[in-house]
Amino acid sequence: EIQLQESGPGLVKPSQSLSLTCSVTGYTITSGYDWSWIRKFPGNKMEWMGYISYSGSTNYNPSLKSRISITRDTSKNQFFLQLNSVTTEDTATYYCARYQLGAYYFDYWGQGVMVTVSS
Amino acid sequence: DIQMTQSPASLSASLGETVTIECRASEDIYNGLAWYQQKPGKSPQLLIYNANSLHTGVPSRFSGSGSGTQYSLKINSLQSEDVASYFCQQYYDYPDTFGAGTKLELK
Repeated sequence: EIQLQESGPGLVKPSQSLSLTCSVTGYTITSGYDWSWIRKFPGNKMEWMGYISYSGSTNYNPSLKSRISITRDTSKNQFFLQLNSVTTEDTATYYCARYQLGAYYFDYWGQGVMVTVSS
Repeated sequence: DIQMTQSPASLSASLGETVTIECRASEDIYNGLAWYQQKPGKSPQLLIYNANSLHTGVPSRFSGSGSGTQYSLKINSLQSEDVASYFCQQYYDYPDTFGAGTKLELK
């Protein structure tokens, strides 16, 4: 069974970087598919943030392009989100998910991790 | 970006009832739409993709329909386990965008 699990600090100070890990079990992230980060703000608005492909290429939401980086560690079957220069508006629940190739809907999601940006 | 307007924001229905949730896109998304269910504390689950294709393992009481800018998710014969939040995602145009969700409760 494919499972994704997010982890990382629940509290980040403004202007610092937010770093999260998505650990994948049941499927090797280099075997196929694209691997995404999505966030859900208080009030329920959701935003697709970006993905890293099975080959290691990345694609980011233009709204975040200057602040976001998605990388991976294939030996640990993990991928990562780094969001720089955070503000209180980055407070959200962050999800990792698997993107269906060529269709771009998500067939597996993690449970999400809540991150609060506050001093 | 394509705006997705989802309605209603919340919904109360009785067991056995038929429920419909709608998503309207700000422009034609050519059936590039998925529906998800999310229960509290759980990960979202894919229900429908390509507007009307049922994902593997999803009960047949769930169905999706629509075209152009108007799409709907129908739940026939509501069961207690269907109490959840539901949201749509358009993936026709880059970047993907989402509806704000519908919270479904039992009456």
